[in-house]
Amino acid sequence: DQQVKQNSPSLSVQEGRISILNCDYTNSMFDYFLWYKKYPAEGPTFLISISSIKDKNEDGRFTVFLNKSAKHLSLHIVPSQPGDSAVYFCAAGLNYGGATNKLIFGTGTLLAVQP
Amino acid sequence: DADVTQTPRNRITKTGKRIMLECSQTKGHDRMYWYRQDPGLGLRLIYYSFDVKDINKGEISDGYSVSRQAQAKFSLSLESAIPNQTALYFCATSDPRGNTEAFFGQGTRLTVV
Repeated sequence: DQQVKQNSPSLSVQEGRISILNCDYTNSMFDYFLWYKKYPAEGPTFLISISSIKDKNEDGRFTVFLNKSAKHLSLHIVPSQPGDSAVYFCAAGLNYGGATNKLIFGTGTLLAVQP
Repeated sequence: DADVTQTPRNRITKTGKRIMLECSQTKGHDRMYWYRQDPGLGLRLIYYSFDVKDINKGEISDGYSVSRQAQAKFSLSLESAIPNQTALYFCATSDPRGNTEAFFGQGTRLTVV
């Protein structure tokens, strides 16, 4: 039972355009969401996060949007650059006792930014 | 030096062999995790530990065991390796204070033949 889903295995975008990566979740108790980026032969690295009390968080070219009623979040990258080409994982966590518990990850989306 | 170090980075082993993957961290985090990555399945949680005396099963713990030898060390064992345990394995740590991200090691590519 996949609690966190990324329905697009891959996405191709032209350099300079917007990349939109989507993620859906089923557990309404999740209260913290993250995006990770992974290059080949490396571990995932943290990109950006959002708490369930917010609907948007922005960090430079990266913006995460959260729609709790739809149980959907998305990552926008503007403008996209070739160096953004990687696998992107979304993850969700539950907060127990004031701290985030284990993270549940989606299946990943391979982003290819074409020069 | 990496904050989260996994050894070995690559390993080929035979079916039925026992193998241990090791993870050490210098971040001072109490929480440590083991995930495996498979194509099309993303990252799935195998085991996690919130402190030295706390071990918890994740989504796919069957066929695996773990040991938390110290705050900084968390090892994953395959008691009798089988081919469908061929995967990329990641160790991660996190700080229990508030909402924080997990920090990952560079991974161990394990092949069971």
